[in-house]
Amino acid sequence: AQSVTQPDIHITVSEGASLELRCNYSYGATPYLFWYVQSPGQGLQLLLKYFSGDTLVQGIKGFEAEFKRSQSSFNLRKPSVHWSDAAEYFCAVAPVNSGTYKYIFGTGTRLKVLA
Amino acid sequence: GAVVSQHPSRVICKSGTSVKIECRSLDFQATTMFWYRQFPKQSLMLMATSNEGSKATYEQGVEKDKFLINHASLTLSTLTVTSAHPEDSSFYICSATTGPLYGYTFGSGTRLTVV
Repeated sequence: AQSVTQPDIHITVSEGASLELRCNYSYGATPYLFWYVQSPGQGLQLLLKYFSGDTLVQGIKGFEAEFKRSQSSFNLRKPSVHWSDAAEYFCAVAPVNSGTYKYIFGTGTRLKVLA
Repeated sequence: GAVVSQHPSRVICKSGTSVKIECRSLDFQATTMFWYRQFPKQSLMLMATSNEGSKATYEQGVEKDKFLINHASLTLSTLTVTSAHPEDSSFYICSATTGPLYGYTFGSGTRLTVV
């Protein structure tokens, strides 16, 4: 069955430190891959997406993600975290050529940033 | 960029009454809209997929008579929670897309409290 795993429920980093949020997926082929961020009480904002091509994807707010087919992973990174990055981060996959646009979301990783 | 407006952002209603939540794509035509429910500190649970001009497709376990979805135009979908009960209290989020290549655009969510 298709699934998305975000192993870390909570992550705490100091402001200015680097960040990596993990995402692993289980799918028969390479799906479309996304990272979203959710601030408290808000909807989700797209950070970046991967469909094909270059496996290192640049997104908004200084985030990037790397697709590793051999590891079925799509980890999100940021070299220097800002206090405003504190939020919930969701990895999502969408099946390719399945006739459906339905996402499968991971359970989310809550990021706390220490001043 | 693509914007989805969701209204109201917060609503408190009495048990037994109905509440309508609107989801509008402001600057694009959404072939597909999705309705999610999010419990505190949890991921998004897909409730239904809404295609303009056709009946919504509900996920397993979601009561279609309780959560009425209407997608009357390419820019508007509504979710009506009928005969609301306290257990329906939750955060409801809509999203809209013109296809998985474009990602989803999410509304800002509606906090429903049934008293």
